[in-house]
Amino acid sequence: GQQVMQIPQYQHVQEGEDFTTYCNSSTTLSNIQWYKQRPGGHPVFLIQLVKSGEVKKQKRLTFQFGEAKKNSSLHITATQTTDVGTYFCAGGTGANNLFFGTGTRLTVIP
Amino acid sequence: GAVVSQHPSWVICKSGTSVKIECRSLDFQATTMFWYRQFPKQSLMLMATSNEGSKATYEQGVEKDKFLINHASLTLSTLTVTSAHPEDSSFYICSTPRTSGSLGEQFFGPGTRLTVL
Repeated sequence: GQQVMQIPQYQHVQEGEDFTTYCNSSTTLSNIQWYKQRPGGHPVFLIQLVKSGEVKKQKRLTFQFGEAKKNSSLHITATQTTDVGTYFCAGGTGANNLFFGTGTRLTVIP
Repeated sequence: GAVVSQHPSWVICKSGTSVKIECRSLDFQATTMFWYRQFPKQSLMLMATSNEGSKATYEQGVEKDKFLINHASLTLSTLTVTSAHPEDSSFYICSTPRTSGSLGEQFFGPGTRLTVL
């Protein structure tokens, strides 16, 4: 069945360091979305990528969709304590549902 | 402001009882509602997809007779956990797409934390 894996599972960084999480799907995706979930909270939409090789930026965040549309990455430059949370990718398929990745829990040490 | 409300935000119940969780869309029509379950420090697992006026579609391994989903109106979808047991304790969360009929941006409810004693 559909599987969406993320690495690393956990990441501890010093404030100011960069952070990257990688998302890999077992099947080709129609789109990839990224969400952030703060501890105790619900996922909040960050961005959606649709095109092969697409790159989008939001301030310190850079999102990339692979050429084969089976992988994606989120890179945060110069992390801040407000970046703390779990980052999930979610892959859309031809069927009408999303498959969430396993998530990467980011801890930023001040 | 919030576009999807969920009630209750948390519930503690005895084993064997049933619990109803409501998800309401605020100021817009939610044709489709996705229901997820999230265990501590784990990802969101899709349980079922409900569409207004039709039967829900359940993911493999999810018992439809245990997790009853009703989507009777365009603003309300409910999930009832019947005869709850401690292993059903989890964070239940709903979401609906920003654009009806699409798989784009999802609006999530704040979630319901269920604890079964």
